[in-house]
Amino acid sequence: DQQVKQNSPSLSVQEGRISILNCDYTNSMFDYFLWYKKYPAEGPTFLISISSIKDKNEDGRFTVFLNKSAKHLSLHIVPSQPGDSAVYFCAASNSGYALNFGKGTSLLVTP
Amino acid sequence: DTAVSQTPKYLVTQMGNDKSIKCEQNLGHDTMYWYKQDSKKFLKIMFSYNNKELIINETVPNRFSPKSPDKAHLNLHINSLELGDSAVYFCASSPSGGFEAFFGQGTRLTVV
Repeated sequence: DQQVKQNSPSLSVQEGRISILNCDYTNSMFDYFLWYKKYPAEGPTFLISISSIKDKNEDGRFTVFLNKSAKHLSLHIVPSQPGDSAVYFCAASNSGYALNFGKGTSLLVTP
Repeated sequence: DTAVSQTPKYLVTQMGNDKSIKCEQNLGHDTMYWYKQDSKKFLKIMFSYNNKELIINETVPNRFSPKSPDKAHLNLHINSLELGDSAVYFCASSPSGGFEAFFGQGTRLTVV
């Protein structure tokens, strides 16, 4: 029972452009959402998060948007850089004790 | 200094063997986890410990047994390994009440 879904397995964007990664969830009890970035042979690294009481959170080039009514969140990266090429995981929590992850979206930023 | 470290990074073993993966965190966190990433790349929670107490035990075969000697360590013991246990296992930790989990680099287990 997959409660967090990332329907795009891959995304390719030119350097300097905006990258938009999408995530949908089914459990209305989720109250905290996170994005993780993962390079090959490494563990996921926390990137940015948002509480369900907000609809936007920004940190430098990264912005996360939350649409609770649509059970949808997105991660915007602008401008995209080649070093952003990685797998991005969306995650959600309703208890603070464990994260429910999506399958990930592989982002490739080309020069 | 590595915040969450797990050993070994790679583990190749035969079916039927018993193996352990060790995890240590130096962040002072109260909560530790084991996640499994299978061949389909799903990252799924297996166990969660808070102050050495088991608080989450997802549907995992009882061949898997976590052991937390203190709140900085959470080891994973696997008995009678099966081919389907091949995966990448990630240890993670977070502060109590915190949502952001910090992950180790993963242990790639291959059962042959």
